[in-house]
Amino acid sequence: DTAVSQTPKYLVTQMGNDKSIKCEQNLGHDTMYWYKQDSKKFLKIMFSYNNKELIINETVPNRFSPKSPDKAHLNLHINSLELGDSAVYFCASSPQRGGVDTQYFGPGTRLTVL
Amino acid sequence: GQNIDQPTEMTATEGAIVQINCTYQTSGFNGLFWYQQHAGEAPTFLSYNVLDGLEEKGRFSSFLSRSKGYSYLLLKELQMKDSASYLCAVEGYGQNFVFGPGTRLSVLP
Repeated sequence: DTAVSQTPKYLVTQMGNDKSIKCEQNLGHDTMYWYKQDSKKFLKIMFSYNNKELIINETVPNRFSPKSPDKAHLNLHINSLELGDSAVYFCASSPQRGGVDTQYFGPGTRLTVL
Repeated sequence: GQNIDQPTEMTATEGAIVQINCTYQTSGFNGLFWYQQHAGEAPTFLSYNVLDGLEEKGRFSSFLSRSKGYSYLLLKELQMKDSASYLCAVEGYGQNFVFGPGTRLSVLP
């Protein structure tokens, strides 16, 4: 069984569109994250979400918004997509925020904005 | 500021030992992680260090010196499947995970 799953795996869309990426974890973890990995392979944290507490990386544009319907899901909604949003987006989860717990990554969603 | 440095690329021979270095400057320190990422796949956890010293896990070992802001990942008995990118990541204060640029390791026969 997949621990952290994301859909879709590939997403191709036009500039200006609004899209969502879904993430689900069946590990019973308390904290979930969204990362962006650009073409240079830098992995940058965008959000972490724990027990309804959202921590946002201040560099993330407000066109990006995480939505968590429950503890097992953290979806990423992107408004007014731009060319620079093209990247691979990884969802991850960990048992608790910070400290000794490692993060488990989903398979990634490759977003291409045309 | 937050900064993590790793060599961009390394090459080694099957069966050899390779050491991948990581230096960091971050706001706070709650631990250092090493991840392996094969091309087109998600990162997978390799090791975690929070205290100074060496952590050994099979063919992989990771070392940390907090006073020097330095870590290394040691891979022994290299196998072809070890060809991947190796990411150093530091957890700072406030749930702030910072990843290094990754080191692309190529293992040659």
